[in-house]
Amino acid sequence: AQTVTQSQPEMSVQEAETVTLSCTYDTSESDYYLFWYKQPPSRQMILVIRQEAYKQQNATENRFSVNFQKAAKSFSLKISDSQLGDAAMYFCAYRIIQGAQKLVFGQGTRLTINP
Amino acid sequence: EPEVTQTPSHQVTQMGQEVILRCVPISNHLYFYWYRQILGQKVEFLVSFYNNEISEKSEIFDDQFSVERPDGSNFTLKIRSTKLEDSAMYFCASSLEGNSPLHFGNGTRLTVT
Repeated sequence: AQTVTQSQPEMSVQEAETVTLSCTYDTSESDYYLFWYKQPPSRQMILVIRQEAYKQQNATENRFSVNFQKAAKSFSLKISDSQLGDAAMYFCAYRIIQGAQKLVFGQGTRLTINP
Repeated sequence: EPEVTQTPSHQVTQMGQEVILRCVPISNHLYFYWYRQILGQKVEFLVSFYNNEISEKSEIFDDQFSVERPDGSNFTLKIRSTKLEDSAMYFCASSLEGNSPLHFGNGTRLTVT
């Protein structure tokens, strides 16, 4: 069975600094998607970034980038120039390419931004 | 930007009662989902729905649960006889296609007393 593990329940960073959130996963599939979702106090789950496993290039979305290490089954999220609005729960998620979009989520990391 | 909307934002019900959680997916989306998040735990997949039928469901989605798209806009989750352990945040999501990104609603917090 696929599992996703986020080993950091909480992280904090100074405003304008860079922070990296860790995620590892376990799967026997070769093709899959990985995601980072943000859940601010408003509770809505917002897609931050998506990575296709067959792509070697790490996905980037403005201040957000990932370090995807397929062999190590690692998928970390780097947030550069942290802003107060980045404070939220961050969830790493996985799904296989085929079939219904059954996302498997990690436990989440609560990110605090210190002004 | 179009959003997935869920109502109510918070529902309190007594154990054994039926509850219906409502969702309005994004209008041109074809795939619909329910996820839940028990307080302090992971977000878990419940069910996916496409072309007016369930395409996949998890082991959580037992006979107490059902989903319906009663008209062209709403997508509902019904729990027939609620249990204390059904207390959770329930998220609806939709996607344009099977491989498109999911768009989540703000969730409905269900409290079973």
